[in-house]
Amino acid sequence: QVQMKETGPGLVQTTQTLSVTCTVSGFSLTSYGVHWVRQAPGKGLEWMGIIWGDGSTNYNSALKSRLSISRDTSKSQVFLTMNSLQTDDTAVYYCAGDNYYSGGYYVMDAWGQGASVTVSS
Amino acid sequence: DIQMTQSPPSLSASLGDKVTITCQTSQNINKYIAWYQQKPGKAPRLLIGFTSRLVSGIPSRFSGSGSGRDYSFSISNVESEDIASYYCLQYDNSPNTFGAGTKLELK
Repeated sequence: QVQMKETGPGLVQTTQTLSVTCTVSGFSLTSYGVHWVRQAPGKGLEWMGIIWGDGSTNYNSALKSRLSISRDTSKSQVFLTMNSLQTDDTAVYYCAGDNYYSGGYYVMDAWGQGASVTVSS
Repeated sequence: DIQMTQSPPSLSASLGDKVTITCQTSQNINKYIAWYQQKPGKAPRLLIGFTSRLVSGIPSRFSGSGSGRDYSFSISNVESEDIASYYCLQYDNSPNTFGAGTKLELK
C-alpha cells in the first residue's frame, strides 16, 4: 500500500525559504516520479514540479527560479525547497506519486494529506 | 507550457442529472488527460486516466472522452456523494498543467 506524508513548518516569514518533506512508503523513488502540487485557499490546484525516478527534475515555468526538488532515496524522502516566499505562497502543499499506469504513461494517483503553509510578514 | 481551458467554473445539478465538464488544451495532448475529484479539506482523488480509463473502484457513472485538444468528463445520475470540485490534468508534456476546476453543487 502506497503512503505519502508531507511535513512542513506551518508558518514561514516573507522573504524566507520554505522546506517541505514528503516521506513515502510502499513506493520506489528510483522507479516512479513524485510531484509537488499546491493549492492556495479557495483556489485550484497548481502543479509545481516533479522529480523523476532517474533523479531528473522538471518545474513549473512560473516557479522555476525559486523552486528546487531533491530526494534522499535511503530515507524514502523527497524535498521541496522554495525561496523568496511571499504571502501569495500561502497554500496547502501536496506530494503525489506516479502510481497509476495508463496508456503508456504514469499519472499521479497516490497523494499525501497535504501540509498547510502560511506565509506571513 | 500547455494551457488548459476548463469549463464551466461551476455547475448546479439535481440528483439524477447528467453533467458534463470540458477541457480544451492549447495543443494536442494525445489523450493524456486525467480527471480528479476533490472534496473540501481532502486531497484530490484520481477518477480517470488516459481520457477514458476508469480507475479501479470508481463507479461507472463517471466517464471521459475526447482526443486531440478537446476532452470531456461526465457524471450520469449525479449522487449526493459526487458534490465536489473536479479538475483535468494534462500529463502528455512536462510541465504538467491542471485546469482551473469545476465546482459541482446541488440545485
